[in-house]
Amino acid sequence: GAVVSQHPSWVICKSGTSVKIECRSLDFQATTMFWYRQFPKQSLMLMATSNEGSKATYEQGVEKDKFLINHASLTLSTLTVTSAHPEDSSFYICSANTATGSYLTDTQYFGPGTRLTVL
Amino acid sequence: RKEVEQDPGPFNVPEGATVAFNCTYSNSASQSFFWYRQDCRKEPKLLMSVYSSGNEDGRFTAQLNRASQYISLLIRDSKLSDSATYLCVVLGTSKIIFGSGTRLSIRP
Repeated sequence: GAVVSQHPSWVICKSGTSVKIECRSLDFQATTMFWYRQFPKQSLMLMATSNEGSKATYEQGVEKDKFLINHASLTLSTLTVTSAHPEDSSFYICSANTATGSYLTDTQYFGPGTRLTVL
Repeated sequence: RKEVEQDPGPFNVPEGATVAFNCTYSNSASQSFFWYRQDCRKEPKLLMSVYSSGNEDGRFTAQLNRASQYISLLIRDSKLSDSATYLCVVLGTSKIIFGSGTRLSIRP
C-alpha cells in the first residue's frame, strides 16, 4: 500500500532554534498533504493543508509565520517550526492524500510522526 | 456543535465481546468516511473505509447512514489486540476532519 515517511522520527532541540520536518510520499504523488499536531492523550489537530506549488492553508489559531510549510514537489512537504519553545513540544504527523480523482477511492495515509521535544 | 463528534469512552469490555462506536458529522456534503486506529504514541493507521452500502472486513463492520449523518464501527469477538483509540475521519471537498477518538480497552 501507499507509504508516507517522515524525517526525523524524533528531535530534541534548544529553545529558540528552528526545526525542519520532512514528509514524503514514497510511491505516489500527493498534490495535497496535511500537517497535524497531537498532544499527549489528545486527538490529532489539523494545523495546515499543504498544496504543491501554492501557499499552505492554515487552520484558525495556527501561526503561519511560526510553522512554515513548503510543498516543493509532488512527493515532499516540509514543516519548519521556527524559534521553537517548550510549548511546541508535541507529536507532529503528516498525511498525504492519494488523490485518485474520485472521492470513492481517495485515502489518507499517515507518516509515522515526529516527536519534538524543546528544552 | 463540532463538525465530527465521537464518544471519547473509554469503553472497557471483556475479550470476546461485541462493541460498537458511532460517529456523527454535521456537514451533509461530506464525501468520504474512514475509521482509523491509533495505538499509543503511534500514527493513525487506516482500519477501513466506510461505504454507503456498508462494508465488512473480518470481525469489523462499518456502516454509513447519510440520512442521520453518522457512521458506525462494530467489532465482534474482540481481542486484546483491539485495544486502541479509534478515530473516525470525514473527508470533505478539501478538508479532512478527525473525530476526537474513542478509546477501547479489552480486558482478559
